[in-house]
Amino acid sequence: NAGVTQTPKFQVLKTGQSMTLQCAQDMNHNSMYWYRQDPGMGLRLIYYSASEGTTDKGEVPNGYNVSRLNKREFSLRLESAAPSQTSVYFCASRGLAGASSGANVLTFGAGSRLTVL
Amino acid sequence: DQQVKQNSPSLSVQEGRISILNCDYTNSMFDYFLWYKKYPAEGPTFLISISSIKDKNEDGRFTVFLNKSAKHLSLHIVPSQPGDSAVYFCAALWTNAGKSTFGDGTTLTVKP
Repeated sequence: NAGVTQTPKFQVLKTGQSMTLQCAQDMNHNSMYWYRQDPGMGLRLIYYSASEGTTDKGEVPNGYNVSRLNKREFSLRLESAAPSQTSVYFCASRGLAGASSGANVLTFGAGSRLTVL
Repeated sequence: DQQVKQNSPSLSVQEGRISILNCDYTNSMFDYFLWYKKYPAEGPTFLISISSIKDKNEDGRFTVFLNKSAKHLSLHIVPSQPGDSAVYFCAALWTNAGKSTFGDGTTLTVKP
């Protein structure tokens, strides 16, 4: 099925460990995003990539790095994990809704639940 | 400063009745507004959107109303069904900036 695929779905890390969350989309979208969602809160933007070869910081970029490997793939790296990074991470890509609306709609992956001990 | 606010963390309605979810925003540069629905252990999915040049958009049981002067939008679900039970996120987009800003979500429970 077309969409956004994230791996892994679950991960437990110890403080100070590093890891990379992978994301791939097969909808030929130019823009890709990483969000985090904490309990009782909305989705906060970590980093985004408007097109292949470009990345920009969002609201909460500290402690993260990203790589836009090609048009399909956008990875998120935690170099030295901290308990404050315990969260659910969502990757998304942006395309157009139906022609009648013209809205730019985000398509999300299923999420990656990260726990940092 | 939170630019998109959903002031009701939760809402409970009876099956068949109307559900009204509210959202307020502060940034007048936003030109598109979207509602996303999220089930547990899944990613959010797009539900309905509205351009800032319109005041109403309808899609089946779902209608979104926009009051630009009040910087307020609402999502109406009529009639509500148990399968509508989910978290609903309001999002605002400034298309030139290319970034969506989300509210904290409202958990809707529709009781049979």
